[in-house]
Amino acid sequence: NAGVMQNPRHLVRRRGQEARLRCSPMKGHSHVYWYRQLPEEGLKFMVYLQKENIIDESGMPKERFSAEFPKEGPSILRIQQVVRGDSAAYFCASSPDLATGQGHEQFFGPGTRLTVL
Amino acid sequence: KQEVTQIPAALSVPEGENLVLNCSFTDSAIYNLQWFRQDPGKGLTSLLLIQSSQREQTSGRLNASLDKSSGRSTLYIAASQPGDSATYLCAVRDSNYQLIWGAGTKLIIKP
Repeated sequence: NAGVMQNPRHLVRRRGQEARLRCSPMKGHSHVYWYRQLPEEGLKFMVYLQKENIIDESGMPKERFSAEFPKEGPSILRIQQVVRGDSAAYFCASSPDLATGQGHEQFFGPGTRLTVL
Repeated sequence: KQEVTQIPAALSVPEGENLVLNCSFTDSAIYNLQWFRQDPGKGLTSLLLIQSSQREQTSGRLNASLDKSSGRSTLYIAASQPGDSATYLCAVRDSNYQLIWGAGTKLIIKP
């Protein structure tokens, strides 16, 4: 059973370009979470998704950022018109297909390191 | 609003010492608490998960304790080795899904 997969592992974009980060959860997991880690800081929650639904996007910047988790395929975190401040490590996690509120462990992918030139 | 603090921010000790890393949180209504390890430029490795009903968890040379009432957790590392050098992150799950993270303790074990 493969773990959480993220690609690309490293992504370089110039200011104004779009960045697309992909996350494939563990088999059998239908809950996906995205976190961002700015340099020398802790991780910050961005968004929680279930298949075809955004459950909580309270941590997402209001502009330029969007996330989806389609019925088929990986979850996508999309950043439009990137700026230097978007440079960070973006981590995806998934958890089992069980009721929320039961304290289930989140399993993390290796992260995507975005560098904006 | 939940806040997680880790002390110290950095720690350097000689190889072989036992050491304790601290994590505190402001709201005791948590579902669980996890300790992670992060190596430079790498991903996150989950070390221990303590459910809110538990007091401690052990894995090899690692032992994590949880005191919800005081809002504290400690990660105890026995007989430290240079390979233990990494940043250790504490995260609490205080709602159905969000993990709230500390800024981490950067640990250096000197050979």
